[in-house]
Amino acid sequence: KAGVTQTPRYLIKTRGQQVTLSCSPISGHRSVSWYQQTPGQGLQFLFEYFSETQRNKGNFPGRFSGRQFSNSRSEMNVSTLELGDSALYLCASSPGTSGMIRGGELFFGEGSRLTVL
Amino acid sequence: GQSLEQPSEVTAVEGAIVQINCTYQTSGFYGLSWYQQHDGGAPTFLSYNALDGLEETGRFSSFLSRSDSYGYLLLQELQMKDSASYFCAGPNYGGSQGNLIFGKGTKLSVKP
Repeated sequence: KAGVTQTPRYLIKTRGQQVTLSCSPISGHRSVSWYQQTPGQGLQFLFEYFSETQRNKGNFPGRFSGRQFSNSRSEMNVSTLELGDSALYLCASSPGTSGMIRGGELFFGEGSRLTVL
Repeated sequence: GQSLEQPSEVTAVEGAIVQINCTYQTSGFYGLSWYQQHDGGAPTFLSYNALDGLEETGRFSSFLSRSDSYGYLLLQELQMKDSASYFCAGPNYGGSQGNLIFGKGTKLSVKP
């Protein structure tokens, strides 16, 4: 069974540009979450999608957005990039349910490492 | 606010036992997960404790005490390949499966 695939793995952008990152979850998984990982702040939740709907959103500015497609693939976009947006962006998938369940296992991709110059 | 605290670094020797502690402050806590992440790699799930007590998976065990807001990960018979960062995580109150709060991580260095 293929794991979570994230593209691109590495990218370099300059301040003010925008970036789109892609995530393909494990086949059959309907929930996709995005996390930002930095040395100072650790792993921070960005948002979660389930069945094309944003189910939760973390404490990030509106420059960070995402969406999920009918095949569960997800994209996140960061507009007007700032130096502080340099980070590893991780996507995680899980089977998900239509309700709210807690805990359990998330399957992470290897991330997209964004450097903003 | 909600937070999980864990030591930033731990060093141990091959073959030894190491315990990584995690204390949390949340409202409506619903269990503790542990993840391992090697440098440059993806976080991988190790264990989840929904109830108080010990869960054992091979060389790894995890413990939760909800009354003490405390948990730990126990790694036995340490191997060099266990050198990695370990994160405790808990569900956000009112959140869903994919919405977790993570501790800042504990970097474990295993020495020969």
